[in-house]
Amino acid sequence: DGGITQSPKYLFRKEGQNVTLSCEQNLNHDAMYWYRQDPGQGLRLIYYSQIVNDFQKGDIAEGYSVSREKKESFPLTVTSAQKNPTAFYLCASRSNRAGSYGYTFGSGTRLTVV
Amino acid sequence: DAKTTQPNSMESNEEEPVHLPCNHSTISGTDYIHWYRQLPSQGPEYVIHGLTSNVNNRMASLAIAEDRKSSTLILHRATLRDAAVYYCILMGGGTSYGKLTFGQGTILTVHP
Repeated sequence: DGGITQSPKYLFRKEGQNVTLSCEQNLNHDAMYWYRQDPGQGLRLIYYSQIVNDFQKGDIAEGYSVSREKKESFPLTVTSAQKNPTAFYLCASRSNRAGSYGYTFGSGTRLTVV
Repeated sequence: DAKTTQPNSMESNEEEPVHLPCNHSTISGTDYIHWYRQLPSQGPEYVIHGLTSNVNNRMASLAIAEDRKSSTLILHRATLRDAAVYYCILMGGGTSYGKLTFGQGTILTVHP
């Protein structure tokens, strides 16, 4: 079945470390997105990419980096510059075809700084 | 981005209909109205979307006001599995989409 796979489901990071969250999709979707969700809050956009080798900053990009070398993959690196990285991270994708439905989301990665 | 306004929370009894309202007074003519729901510790799930006409699918119905400044998601018979946060979102039309802006959503509680 097609879908989005995020790994790992839970991730613990020591202060000062960089960590990379994986997001892979087999839906042949063009666009991919990373969102952050804090407890009791809505989703905030970190980065998005509409085509391979291109990406744009979202509303809260500071302290994060991404790459889009393959259509299927959009990894997110949480760097040591991100002062409050503990959160629930969600990856999403969608097709750029006109009339297509909305986003498909992964099941998320919960990152905790220890 | 055009914004949406939803009540913070709503409650329903099992097997009763639920009407979840959303105001979007600054909607543009090409904005689609999308609804997603999110269960605890999961990613949001697509529910339904529409442009001008009312829409039905196996999950829900979407009623859109004639002036498009508001819409209502209708769950015809709520079940305990429908307890979730429901987000009403506006998405621009066309073949290329930018960011999707989520508000706080409505927390739906379903009582047995």
